[in-house]
Amino acid sequence: RKEVEQDPGPFNVPEGATVAFNCTYSNSASQSFFWYRQDCRKEPKLLMSVYSSGNEDGRFTAQLNRASQYISLLIRDSKLSDSATYLCVVNMPGSARQLTFGSGTQLTVLP
Amino acid sequence: GAVVSQHPSRVICKSGTSVKIECRSLDFQATTMFWYRQFPKQSLMLMATSNEGSKATYEQGVEKDKFLINHASLTLSTLTVTSAHPEDSSFYICSARAGGARGEKLFFGSGTQLSVL
Repeated sequence: RKEVEQDPGPFNVPEGATVAFNCTYSNSASQSFFWYRQDCRKEPKLLMSVYSSGNEDGRFTAQLNRASQYISLLIRDSKLSDSATYLCVVNMPGSARQLTFGSGTQLTVLP
Repeated sequence: GAVVSQHPSRVICKSGTSVKIECRSLDFQATTMFWYRQFPKQSLMLMATSNEGSKATYEQGVEKDKFLINHASLTLSTLTVTSAHPEDSSFYICSARAGGARGEKLFFGSGTQLSVL
């Protein structure tokens, strides 16, 4: 089983749609969770951290389910500029590797 | 503005040559930097952890003699791809963890697209 596994995608949605991505992680002791956004041939950029109680940042909502070991990202009212690859990132405790990245989910918002 | 600077952004070279990529933390000191490789439509794969003043820690399957890492100062780490071959063509990205006022966040360089002919 992969350490961090994401929906394969790609997701093609119309502008204004709501879209959700899921991500599962294998290490139950993982402590920190993030969603990063990566545009083609660019560096990943932190979109938001994921907190145990769930958190919202504008149109973006992140949730964590420790019991089932998954995190989710919900995007409401999709914009064309939301088109990118979304990476689920998990901190693996006790590892010098720091962060482990999921394979990413590609989102294309269509006009 | 960028807090981690990576150069060059793009390199095209002949097979057999060596290529050096620089990663600098601009306004903070980074005792640890990370080097990743990303093939098309795949995620970032950690290659090695670069430690200031000591040897880098390489991930399993990454050849340390081929990917030389030097972290001589608290703001600079370099990755040298020695005797590059076409299969080394990839997108290489560095990152550094910033503490203090920025919290424990990971900042990335802008990446280097390496094409070996």
